[in-house]
Amino acid sequence: TQLLEQSPQFLSIQEGENLTVYCNSSSVFSSLQWYRQEPGEGPVLLVTVVTGGEVKKLKRLTFQFGDARKDSSLHITAAQPGDTGLYLCAGESTGTSYGKLTFGQGTILTVHP
Amino acid sequence: SAVISQKPSRDICQRGTSLTIQCQVDSQVTMMFWYRQQPGQSLTLIATANQGSEATYESGFVIDKFPISRPNLTFSTLTVSNMSPEDSSIYLCSAGSGANVLTFGAGSRLTVL
Repeated sequence: TQLLEQSPQFLSIQEGENLTVYCNSSSVFSSLQWYRQEPGEGPVLLVTVVTGGEVKKLKRLTFQFGDARKDSSLHITAAQPGDTGLYLCAGESTGTSYGKLTFGQGTILTVHP
Repeated sequence: SAVISQKPSRDICQRGTSLTIQCQVDSQVTMMFWYRQQPGQSLTLIATANQGSEATYESGFVIDKFPISRPNLTFSTLTVSNMSPEDSSIYLCSAGSGANVLTFGAGSRLTVL
């Protein structure tokens, strides 16, 4: 079973601060996805990274896939209260069918005004 | 990307009873999956719902406990059988096709007394 270790589990910061969430595994993934989930809703896809070393930016969010495709990070610059939520990384294993995802434990982010 | 409707959105059930959760997609999709998200935890894949054939279950999940149907390319059901308090969780349906974005439903929050 492939595991994704996500850290930190909880993050409580002030508006305007920067933060980074990490997702690590000993296994190689064909792709890695980041989701944001709000209470009462399902996870919403933020980004998919596929190529080792790939960096993608989504406004104040920067996503990076490790060169070996075993780890990823999400960096948020100048966090806003609207960024509050549960952030999940999920990996699609090599050799498995599309859509079978292994999720990290999640990071609960709280941004205080 | 597909839009998913799940119902019920929440339910409170008695121990020993069974509940069927429905997942309706607004377009035909190749893949449909069922996940479980226990309180304060991440998502765990229960099974892949295969159209016209038996679902493919992940380790730790069995058909007798979680029977799944998928009669066509837009609809699936998950039944939680002979429920116990340990089954209290959020059950999420996800769907997608090929390179399309994998979409999640809002989830069905189940509480077993």
